Parts: sequence; structure tokens; C-alpha cells
Amino acid sequence: DIQMTQSPSSLSASVGDRVTITCRASQSISSYLNWYQQKPGKAPKLLIYAASSLQSGVPSRFSGSGSGTDFTLTISSLQPEDFATYYCQQSYSTLQSFGQGTKVEIK
Amino acid sequence: EVQLVESGGGLVQPGGSLRLSCSASGFTFSSYAMHWVRQAPGKGLEYVSAISSNGGSTYYADSVKGRFTISRDNSKNTLYLQMSSLRAEDTAVYYCVKANSAMVTGNWFDPWGQGTLVTVSS
Repeated sequence: DIQMTQSPSSLSASVGDRVTITCRASQSISSYLNWYQQKPGKAPKLLIYAASSLQSGVPSRFSGSGSGTDFTLTISSLQPEDFATYYCQQSYSTLQSFGQGTKVEIK
Repeated sequence: EVQLVESGGGLVQPGGSLRLSCSASGFTFSSYAMHWVRQAPGKGLEYVSAISSNGGSTYYADSVKGRFTISRDNSKNTLYLQMSSLRAEDTAVYYCVKANSAMVTGNWFDPWGQGTLVTVSS
């Protein structure tokens, strides 16, 4: 099975900060990596698919990069509505898997 | 508008069974793979199961293999998850999710249903 490891597990940041979350796969997954945002009590929402493609309707301050085993989600200027938990997900294998999540909190 | 509405959750005793349903609308259901993902209270997302667009291929996480069965009825635009031999650790919100293609792999999940809570407790 492919293990997905996110870092950090949590972070505190201020509005306007640049935030970077990393996701590492235990083996190469090419670009089969997606990012989701989840707010409390809500279902996750797709932000980035195929490592770097921005889902329609998602603000351009969100971006993704990487391939192989190392991936990054960047929020260029954190907004109040971005405080949430972020998950990466690999769809390379039939046994798909998620990272453990990164909680972005207000500093 | 694409919509996924789960139902069938509730309280069940350990060892019991439950069948979840997911009613889909707003897209050609038979053209897309579908998945189940769960989230235990206060925990992260856990991938559960997948089914190809025609139902011919199914996949399960090791944690549910042999106990859960995914199926679909393309004539009713409905996805199912039959759960048996339920354990306390199966307690979670179960989400139905639509893939972006007929294939089980190489895809992404959008949208997600609102989720249905399954509680396994005596």
C-alpha cells in the first residue's frame, strides 16, 4: 500500500501569509495527487487535481506542484476563509489513500 | 447540478449489518466510477471502497475487505455499501464521492455527498 505523509500536521498563520503544505508518497505516484479542503462539519472540497491543476471555481491563490513522491500545496496569501484542514490523496493505485491532514489555524 | 445524497446510517450493535445508499443526480451515473470514503469522529479521511462505472471491478481497503460490499444500480442511479460484522472502529461519517472518469484509478473526487453517520455501539 502507498503511504501518504503530510507535513506539518498543523500550523498557525496570519491573514496574508504565504502557506506551504507538503505531501510525500512512499513510492512514486507520477502526478496522481489531489488536494482537498475540509471545514468543520462539512464534506471535503476538491482544490487541486493531478498535482497542479486548479479545480474550477477555486481561487488562484491556491496552487499545487510536484511529481513522483514529493508534492506541495501553496496558498499565496492566506484569507480568513482558508482556515481549514487540508488533505492530499493519491489515486495512482487501486487502494487509494489520504494524508493525515494539515490543520491551518489562525495565529 | 451534480448531487449525491447518502442515506441509511444510524446506530447498530457490534456484529450487526447496515446498508448505505447514495442517490445520484445531475450527471450520467453509469459513466463514472464511484467511491466511499469515511471519517471517524475527529479523525482524518480514510479510503474505503471503489467500483467501476459498469460495476465490473470493485476494490476495498484492507480494513473492510471481506466485511463490506460495494455495488451500484445504474438503472436507479444509486450506489450502495453493504456493511456487515460491524466493529466499533467502523464508527464514522461515510461519504459517497464521484470520480471524474469511468476508471477507478487516476482520478479525483468531486463532488462529495453530505455524509451519513454510522455509529457502532452496544
